[in-house]
Amino acid sequence: QSALTQPRSVSGSPGQSVTISCTGTSSDVGGYNYVSWYQQHPGKAPKLMIYDVSKRPSGVPDRFSGSKSGNTASLTISGLQAEDEADYYCCSYAGSYAVVFGGGTKLTVL
Amino acid sequence: EVQLVESGGGLVQPGGSLRLSCAASGFTFSSYEMNWVRQAPGKGLEWVSYISSSGSTIYYADSVKGRFTISRDNAKNSLYLQMNSLRAEDTAVYYCAREAVAAGAFDIWGQGTMVTVSS
Repeated sequence: QSALTQPRSVSGSPGQSVTISCTGTSSDVGGYNYVSWYQQHPGKAPKLMIYDVSKRPSGVPDRFSGSKSGNTASLTISGLQAEDEADYYCCSYAGSYAVVFGGGTKLTVL
Repeated sequence: EVQLVESGGGLVQPGGSLRLSCAASGFTFSSYEMNWVRQAPGKGLEWVSYISSSGSTIYYADSVKGRFTISRDNAKNSLYLQMNSLRAEDTAVYYCAREAVAAGAFDIWGQGTMVTVSS
């Protein structure tokens, strides 16, 4: 169960859009439509932002969107706001009930 | 209010044991699958274990298989993680997390409990 690959950091200015990639294999990201994304502020528990590749839980702004192509999933945040600055983790089902997370991406709002 | 509250963390020597608890409130605990997820200091998230709503189906990450045991008591709205043969690399914040509509979609998390394995 190897971790999914995410960029260590991304940045953007307020109002801009950023995209965070998450690369796995055909055994996880590419094999199932069970990709989720989490936002984590320092010292806080993770918060579910996207599940089933592109679905948003109630209360999550529609500025957050998810997609997948092949073995790579993506999280796009449009209209960046200061409060979006956080760590973001992707997560995928990997079969036989194994769940694998990405290494995390630090988003900086300039 | 829907809530998960972990307890039981602390400092333990290598080879020792610890039992974590997670108290659920504000929802029908017995209807949900539950998981433990951990995060080593300054590191990313790592899934640890899963248990079905009835407790009949259980899975573990390879890194803890044979050493950790997940269980639940639906009458007490509680989830547990028995950790044996602890190693330094088990040092982490341990979160309990409710599974929502799909595998890997954890919609409710506790605040976490810190486990430190050190001599």
